[in-house]
Amino acid sequence: KAGVTQTPRYLIKTRGQQVTLSCSPISGHRSVSWYQQTPGQGLQFLFEYFSETQRNKGNFPGRFSGRQFSNSRSEMNVSTLELGDSALYLCASSLGDVAGGNEQFFGPGTRLTVL
Amino acid sequence: DQQVKQNSPSLSVQEGRISILNCDYTNSMFDYFLWYKKYPAEGPTFLISISSIKDKNEDGRFTVFLNKSAKHLSLHIVPSQPGDSAVYFCAASAMGNTPLVFGKGTRLSVIA
Repeated sequence: KAGVTQTPRYLIKTRGQQVTLSCSPISGHRSVSWYQQTPGQGLQFLFEYFSETQRNKGNFPGRFSGRQFSNSRSEMNVSTLELGDSALYLCASSLGDVAGGNEQFFGPGTRLTVL
Repeated sequence: DQQVKQNSPSLSVQEGRISILNCDYTNSMFDYFLWYKKYPAEGPTFLISISSIKDKNEDGRFTVFLNKSAKHLSLHIVPSQPGDSAVYFCAASAMGNTPLVFGKGTRLSVIA
């Protein structure tokens, strides 16, 4: 069974630009979550989508947005990029609620560098 | 306000010895706890979890202990192997579709 895939793996952008990252969950998984990982902050939750609906949202500015399609694939968008947005963006999928015992599987991440 | 804290950024252990990674949390609503392992250039992988109704869960060389009164959990790896060298993240969740809250991670180095 194929794992979670994320594209692109690496991306370099300049300040002020916008970027779209893509995530394909494991087949059959309806929940997709996005995290930002930076060296000093660990993994910080961005948002979660379940059946095309945003179910949870972290503490990030409105420049960060996402969506989920009917095939459960998800995209996240960051507009007006800032230097501090440089990070590894991780996508994770699960069948359902993690606290209910559903394991969350992570993709390899997209490394975004903002110059 | 960090709800999940891993106060040791790094830990070095000799091969064959026990590795103990610690995690503290502040939110008393958390009732499900997980440990993830992350190698460079890969996403985190699930290692072991524990529900708040238990105080210990074991899976092979990995054991997680939960002390609810102290709001503390620990991951024991024994015996430690060089392949265990990775960053370990502690995560917690509350009931009701709430997202996972992660600690900042502890980098474990197992020296042969």
